[in-house]
Amino acid sequence: AQSVAQPEDQVNVAEGNPLTVKCTYSVSGNPYLFWYVQYPNRGLQFLLKYITGDNLVKGSYGFEAEFNKSQTSFHLKKPSALVSDSALYFCAVRDIRNTPLVFGKGTRLSVIA
Amino acid sequence: DADVTQTPRNRITKTGKRIMLECSQTKGHDRMYWYRQDPGLGLRLIYYSFDVKDINKGEISDGYSVSRQAQAKFSLSLESAIPNQTALYFCATIGGGGNTEAFFGQGTRLTVV
Repeated sequence: AQSVAQPEDQVNVAEGNPLTVKCTYSVSGNPYLFWYVQYPNRGLQFLLKYITGDNLVKGSYGFEAEFNKSQTSFHLKKPSALVSDSALYFCAVRDIRNTPLVFGKGTRLSVIA
Repeated sequence: DADVTQTPRNRITKTGKRIMLECSQTKGHDRMYWYRQDPGLGLRLIYYSFDVKDINKGEISDGYSVSRQAQAKFSLSLESAIPNQTALYFCATIGGGGNTEAFFGQGTRLTVV
């Protein structure tokens, strides 16, 4: 069965600094990988996905993520954090067979002015 | 109108009561999911359906049942609610071959007293 690990419950970063939110995954076959963001009292919003092709994928709001097959990782990054990026971030995975979408436990990002 | 609509948005119910959470979508997607979100536990999969005739248990299906009334409708029932089912519940849809992103409803906040 597939699984996702987000090793950090909380990430704190100063505004203007680069940020990284970590994600590692486990699937039997090739993965489809996703990042979502949740703002307070809101549903989940899609940020970006890796399906195939270029290992560096770019998404909404200046976020990007790098797929690393050998390390089974899909870390979320942004060159310069904004206070408005403060939210709960979820990594999700499924493999290319007919399996459900599985989420990590989430990482709370706090960007401090 | 939202792509994925959940009703009710908030509900307080008593232990032992039966309650149904409803989800409808206008995306025309075949795949529908129910998740629950608890602080520190992320999103956990309750049930999922890949088409009207296909229902599958997720990670935490005990105490829950579902009905896929139509392609667009997927309801979640708690036959006899208990306090540890207090959580935020999300419905989601995914289209195509599953390599697209999931679209989430706004969530149902359920409190069992």
